[in-house]
Amino acid sequence: KAGVTQTPRYLIKTRGQQVTLSCSPISGHRSVSWYQQTPGQGLQFLFEYFSETQRNKGNFPGRFSGRQFSNSRSEMNVSTLELGDSALYLCASRAGVEQFFGPGTRLTVL
Amino acid sequence: QQQVKQSPQSLIVQKGGISIINCAYENTAFDYFPWYQQFPGKGPALLIAIRPDVSEKKEGRFTISFNKSAKQFSLHIMDSQPGDSATYFCAASHTGNQFYFGTGTSLTVIP
Repeated sequence: KAGVTQTPRYLIKTRGQQVTLSCSPISGHRSVSWYQQTPGQGLQFLFEYFSETQRNKGNFPGRFSGRQFSNSRSEMNVSTLELGDSALYLCASRAGVEQFFGPGTRLTVL
Repeated sequence: QQQVKQSPQSLIVQKGGISIINCAYENTAFDYFPWYQQFPGKGPALLIAIRPDVSEKKEGRFTISFNKSAKQFSLHIMDSQPGDSATYFCAASHTGNQFYFGTGTSLTVIP
């Protein structure tokens, strides 16, 4: 069974731009969560989607948004990028309690 | 408020030694405690997990010790190998909803 895939793997953007990241979960997994990973803050929970509905949300500004499609694929959008948004963005999917991560998208904001 | 506190931040161990990483949590509603291993350029990979109804779980060289009364759990890596050099994260969750992660421990195993 294929693992969680994320595209693109690397992105370079400038301040003020917006970006969309994509995540394809493991087949059969309906829950998709997004995390921001930075050296200083570790893994910070952004939000979780289940069956196209946002189920949980972390403490991030409204510039961070997401959605999930009927095939469980998910996208995350960050608008009006700031330098501090530079991070590794991880997607994770699960069917029960076990959570499986993708390789992440490395976003650099210049 | 940090829901899960992890220590140490970094750890250097000789090959063959025991690596010990500790985590403490606040929320007594947490009922699932996984550990993840992350290599550079990769996403975290689930290593081992425990539920609070047992005090210890062992899988190969990896053992979780769980102390419910102290709200602490730890990862022990026996016979540590250079290939174990990675960053380890503990986490806690209530019924799999919203995982809270520790800040990570960078483990270096010296040959």
